[in-house]
Amino acid sequence: DQQVKQNSPSLSVQEGRISILNCDYTNSMFDYFLWYKKYPAEGPTFLISISSIKDKNEDGRFTVFLNKSAKHLSLHIVPSQPGDSAVYFCAASARGNNDMRFGAGTRLTVK
Amino acid sequence: NAGVTQTPKFQVLKTGQSMTLQCAQDMNHNSMYWYRQDPGMGLRLIYYSASEGTTDKGEVPNGYNVSRLNKREFSLRLESAAPSQTSVYFCASSEWSGDLSGEQYFGPGTRLTVT
Repeated sequence: DQQVKQNSPSLSVQEGRISILNCDYTNSMFDYFLWYKKYPAEGPTFLISISSIKDKNEDGRFTVFLNKSAKHLSLHIVPSQPGDSAVYFCAASARGNNDMRFGAGTRLTVK
Repeated sequence: NAGVTQTPKFQVLKTGQSMTLQCAQDMNHNSMYWYRQDPGMGLRLIYYSASEGTTDKGEVPNGYNVSRLNKREFSLRLESAAPSQTSVYFCASSEWSGDLSGEQYFGPGTRLTVT
């Protein structure tokens, strides 16, 4: 039972344009959401997070949007750069629970 | 600071063999985790340790055991390896406030093949 879903296995974007990665979740108890970036042969690294009391969080070129009613979040990267090419994982956890659930990942290619 | 380290980096086992994957962190985090990553499945939590002396099952614990040796070290043991356990294993650590888990820091992974 995948509680966090990333329905696009891959995304290709031109350098300088916007990349939008999407994530859906089913567990209404989730209230903390994170995005991780992973390069080949390395462990995932934390990128940006958002708690359920916010609907937007920005960090430089990266912005995460949360739509609680739709149980949907998205990561925007503007402008996209070749070094952003990696697999991006969405993750979620619930307050009081140390168990974090990850999506299957989206492979972003910036050309 | 080395962050999170894992040994070994690669391992090939025969069905039925046992092995222990080692993990250590130097960030003084109280929580540690073991995940496996399979194609199309993302990262799935095997076991975690919220604090020294405690361990809990995650999403896919069957076939594994863990030991939280001290605050720094968290090991994962496969008692009788099966081909279904072929995967990449990641260890992670984070600061746990008792309310929300902070972002997790991951090791480089162990690529395990069971034949």
